[in-house]
Amino acid sequence: DAGVTQSPTHLIKTRGQQVTLRCSPKSGHDTVSWYQQALGQGPQFIFQYYEEEERQRGNFPDRFSGHQFPNYSSELNVNALLLGDSALYLCASSFNVPGIKTFFTEAFFGQGTRLTVV
Amino acid sequence: GDSVTQMEGPVTLSEEAFLTINCTYTATGYPSLFWYVQYPGEGLQLLLKATKADDKGSNKGFEATYRKETTSFHLEKGSVQVSDSAVYFCALSDRGGAQKLVFGQGTRLTINP
Repeated sequence: DAGVTQSPTHLIKTRGQQVTLRCSPKSGHDTVSWYQQALGQGPQFIFQYYEEEERQRGNFPDRFSGHQFPNYSSELNVNALLLGDSALYLCASSFNVPGIKTFFTEAFFGQGTRLTVV
Repeated sequence: GDSVTQMEGPVTLSEEAFLTINCTYTATGYPSLFWYVQYPGEGLQLLLKATKADDKGSNKGFEATYRKETTSFHLEKGSVQVSDSAVYFCALSDRGGAQKLVFGQGTRLTINP
C-alpha cells in the first residue's frame, strides 16, 4: 500500500516564478492538507482540501492556492515566488469519517518537496 | 489562537540515558495531542497520540501522558538508542475543526554511542 507520495522531491525556482507541487494521498484517504516547514522550524498549516473544496486555511497570502481532483490528489500552487518561500512543503492525508464532518482519522505525511527560491 | 511550546534544543544524550522532551500547549477547545518524529531527509511520522485527559500514548518505548491540569504532553523514554536520533515535534489538533495540526518548533535529539 503506497503511502502519501509527493512530487517533485526537489525544485529550484527563480524569484517571481510560479510553482506547482503535487500530492497523492494514501489509499482510502479523501482529505489533503498542505504544510510549509521552514528550515529549523515546525510545519505551518497552509490549507486543507476535502470534497474538492478548501475547508480551512492558515495564515498564508493568496499567492498560495490549491486544488483537489476527483481522485483526491491535490496540487499546491505558489505564484510570484519570494526568497522566503524556500522551505520543505509537506502534504498530509487523512480520512473524514462518513456522517461526521468534523472527525478525521490521523494524518499521514509524505516526504515533502524541498523548494529553493533563488 | 492555539499554540504549542517545546523545550529548546538541541538535546544530546548518551545511549541508554533517560529522555524527557517537554511540551506545553495553549488551546481554546479540548484538543488531541500528538508527537511526530522526523528522521533526516524524511517527512513526519506519527510516534504517538492521546485524545483525552489522562490518556497515555505509547509506541517504540516512548510515552507521553495528556495532562489537562498542566496543559502538558511531555515525551519520555527510559533508555534511548542511537537510532532515536531525529527531530521530535509536539502537535495538537482541534477535534472540533478540520484537523488542522499546530506544531511546536521541534527538538533535535542526538544520541551518542
